[in-house]
Amino acid sequence: SQTIHQWPATLVQPVGSPLSLECTVEGTSNPNLYWYRQAAGRGLQLLFYSVGIGQISSEVPQNLSASRPQDRQFILSSKKLLLSDSGFYLCAWRLDLGEKLFFGSGTQLSVL
Amino acid sequence: GESVGLHLPTLSVQEGDNSIINCAYSNSASDYFIWYKQESGKGPQFIIDIRSNMDKRQGQRVTVLLNKTVKHLSLQIAATQPGDSAVYFCAENMEYGNKLVFGAGTILRVKS
Repeated sequence: SQTIHQWPATLVQPVGSPLSLECTVEGTSNPNLYWYRQAAGRGLQLLFYSVGIGQISSEVPQNLSASRPQDRQFILSSKKLLLSDSGFYLCAWRLDLGEKLFFGSGTQLSVL
Repeated sequence: GESVGLHLPTLSVQEGDNSIINCAYSNSASDYFIWYKQESGKGPQFIIDIRSNMDKRQGQRVTVLLNKTVKHLSLQIAATQPGDSAVYFCAENMEYGNKLVFGAGTILRVKS
């Protein structure tokens, strides 16, 4: 069966520090991968999605970037965190376009 | 831009009653819709989905209704239980299926 792993679960970082969040999917090949961000008490904002290795689509201009160095690995990064980068970050995957997403357990990022 | 929105941000129901959560979407080209349940601090969980060639789909204690004429989606939960308390999101598949866009969410509170 397929599983998605996302880490760390919580992270506290100072303003201006770098960020690297990792997400891996097991049990499938060539998944479509997604990063969402959720502000406290709000909905999910799509940040990036990838339909294949090295293919990244960005949804909003921001201080973050994404990379997909391997088929089942999706990384969210920042060179210098801002206070506004705080939030709950969710990685998700699906096998085909037009199918349901499966979410990871999320990373709660606090930038202080 | 195109978006998915919810009519009621908070819904309080008595245990045992039926719950109805509504969602309006604006992209008439969207052909796939999903409902998710999110508990505090966790990633969203899939509840039920429906494609645009259907107007009703039933699961265990849940029913999704799709009215394409007025671009409206609803989730019905029968015999609501305390464990149903969570935030519920509808999601809409857009951009030829590449993107899954989420609505703002509805908080469901079940009173015992």
